[in-house]
Amino acid sequence: EPEVTQTPSHQVTQMGQEVILRCVPISNHLYFYWYRQILGQKVEFLVSFYNNEISEKSEIFDDQFSVERPDGSNFTLKIRSTKLEDSAMYFCASQGIHNYGYTFGSGTRLTVV
Amino acid sequence: DAKTTQPNSMESNEEEPVHLPCNHSTISGTDYIHWYRQLPSQGPEYVIHGLTSNVNNRMASLAIAEDRKSSTLILHRATLRDAAVYYCILSLNSGGSNYKLTFGKGTLLTVNP
Repeated sequence: EPEVTQTPSHQVTQMGQEVILRCVPISNHLYFYWYRQILGQKVEFLVSFYNNEISEKSEIFDDQFSVERPDGSNFTLKIRSTKLEDSAMYFCASQGIHNYGYTFGSGTRLTVV
Repeated sequence: DAKTTQPNSMESNEEEPVHLPCNHSTISGTDYIHWYRQLPSQGPEYVIHGLTSNVNNRMASLAIAEDRKSSTLILHRATLRDAAVYYCILSLNSGGSNYKLTFGKGTLLTVNP
């Protein structure tokens, strides 16, 4: 069964550093998403992306965050200057045009120290 | 977003059916009912979705009340691998496939051997 692949599985970074989280969505999917889950809390929507632009973003997704689909296969989330409170699991998801279900990746655990 | 209410936790025995309830009394006529689950240390996983009619797939069945104010996810024979947090989520079908998911706390299902 097709999978959404996320790398790395775990990233440790120092506060103030930039991080890029990478995702390879399912190849024929058109809609892409990032969600995050702080330990012990709910899964939260960050951003949705379609046709090479952001279609919706949450209040969490401020100027420190950006997304890109640079080469038609990868979908990246960049955090420019990480804060301690950015520590969380980050999940990428993709969705096909005729499939209302999302496929999520296994996540990247980001630890900011 | 219309809200859903689920029990915090439920317990089941292996190989018995499980009925996971969800109340959504403020559902609008265009809201779809989605179910996802999250196994420990994994990303959410699509289970099933529906609008008005009951739905079946290889994972589960979804029974939707006639007034659509509640629904029940049915796992026909629970296995230990079904132990997870189950989320009932409403989302607006805008005519396209792009929609965001607003996760609540879900129901933690424990399956006893």
